Amino acid sequence: DAGVTQSPTHLIKTRGQHVTLRCSPISGHKSVSWYQQVLGQGPQFIFQYYEKEERGRGNFPDRFSARQFPNYSSELNVNALLLGDSALYLCASSPGTGGNEQYFGPGTRLTVT
Amino acid sequence: QKEVEQNSGPLSVPEGAIASLNCTYSDRGSQSFFWYRQYSGKSPELIMSIYSNGDKEDGRFTAQLNKASQYVSLLIRDSQPSDSATYLCAVNPVGSGYALNFGKGTSLLVTP
Repeated sequence: DAGVTQSPTHLIKTRGQHVTLRCSPISGHKSVSWYQQVLGQGPQFIFQYYEKEERGRGNFPDRFSARQFPNYSSELNVNALLLGDSALYLCASSPGTGGNEQYFGPGTRLTVT
Repeated sequence: QKEVEQNSGPLSVPEGAIASLNCTYSDRGSQSFFWYRQYSGKSPELIMSIYSNGDKEDGRFTAQLNKASQYVSLLIRDSQPSDSATYLCAVNPVGSGYALNFGKGTSLLVTP
C-alpha cells in the first residue's frame, strides 16, 4: 500500500512569495496533520484536518492556512514568506478515529531566500 | 507551554548493547505517547505507541510509561548500527485535540 505522499520534494522561494504544499494520506485515512520542522528541533504542529474540518491549529501566524479536500488530500498555504519559514514541512496521516498514531510523509524542504 | 524534554545526546552504545532513551513531559493529563525514529535527511517514522502505564514490547523495542512520574522511555535491545538515528518522543497533551507535541530528539549512535 502506498504511504503518505507529498509534493513537491524541494522548493526554493523568495521572501514575500506564496507557496502551496500538497499531501495525500494513506488510503482509508481521513485525517491529515501538518508540522514544521527546523534543523535540530522536533516537528511543531501547524494544523489538523478531519473529514474536511479543521480540528486543531498550532501557534502559527495567519499567513499559514490549510484545507482538506473530499478525497482527504490536503494543501498547506503560506503567504508572504519570511526567511524563518525555511524548514521541512511534514504531512502526517492518521485514521482519525481510535488511536492517534500519525504516519509521516517524506516532507517538503522549503528554502526561502 | 506543554513541554516534552529529551536529552539531546549523542548517546553512544556498542553494537549488541541495550540503548535506553528517556523522555519527560509536563502535562500530567497527557493520554497518548509515541516514539519516532528519524534518520538524517528523512522524515520521522513511527516505531512505538503507548497509552497505558507499564511496558509495551514490539520486537527489539520496548516502550515504558509511568504517568505518575510523567516519564516515558524506549529501550532498544541488541542495538545495531542501523539503529543510529535521532529518536523523537511525542506526546498528545490534554486539550490539544490530536496535535502531537514533540521533544527535540535524542541522537543515538551504535558503534560496531
